[in-house]
Amino acid sequence: AQSVAQPEDQVKVAEGNPLTVKCTYSVSGNPYLFWYVQYPNRGLQFLLKYITGDNLVKGSYGFEAEFNKSQTSFHLKKPSALVSDSALYFCAVRAANQAGTALIFGKGTTLSVSS
Amino acid sequence: DAGITQSPRYKITETGRQVTLMCHQTWSHSYMFWYRQDLGHGLRLIYYSAAADITDKGEVPDGYVVSRSKTENFPLTLESATRSQTSVYFCASSLQGYSEQFFGPGTRLTVL
Repeated sequence: AQSVAQPEDQVKVAEGNPLTVKCTYSVSGNPYLFWYVQYPNRGLQFLLKYITGDNLVKGSYGFEAEFNKSQTSFHLKKPSALVSDSALYFCAVRAANQAGTALIFGKGTTLSVSS
Repeated sequence: DAGITQSPRYKITETGRQVTLMCHQTWSHSYMFWYRQDLGHGLRLIYYSAAADITDKGEVPDGYVVSRSKTENFPLTLESATRSQTSVYFCASSLQGYSEQFFGPGTRLTVL
């Protein structure tokens, strides 16, 4: 069965510091991996995805994520956090060899960036 | 350039009533999805559709009905609403099954 874990309910960082939001996954075969962000009272917005190729994926708003197959992880990173990055972040996964199935989402991590 | 829209944005109903949540997308995406978001559970898939007239159950389908007669519309019906169906409902669409999904703004449903 597919699953996604976001081990931290909340991550707190100071503005200007680097941030990491952790995600680990479990799928049969190769994964398709995604990160989404949700601001209050809004729908989810796509940030970035890993399908194949370079393990370091760059996305919107300066975010990037590193795919690590041996550790089954896809951590979200940003070199310098902004207060406006404060939001709820979701990791999602789908098995590459399972056509027609939907994404499985983690429970989300709340990122708080202080000024 | 509406993208994906949901209506109504807020709905209050009573136990036992039928409620339909609407979802419309303008991209001609093949895939459409319905999720519910609850504290502590993240997003859980209710139903999804790979194309018009093709639908399939997700993780939590009980008490819900969907239809997709046109590619652009994917309504979700609660046949007899229960308090446990109080939630925020999100519709999403994607070009392919493995593509990134684009989400609507959500419908906040309260069942009294």
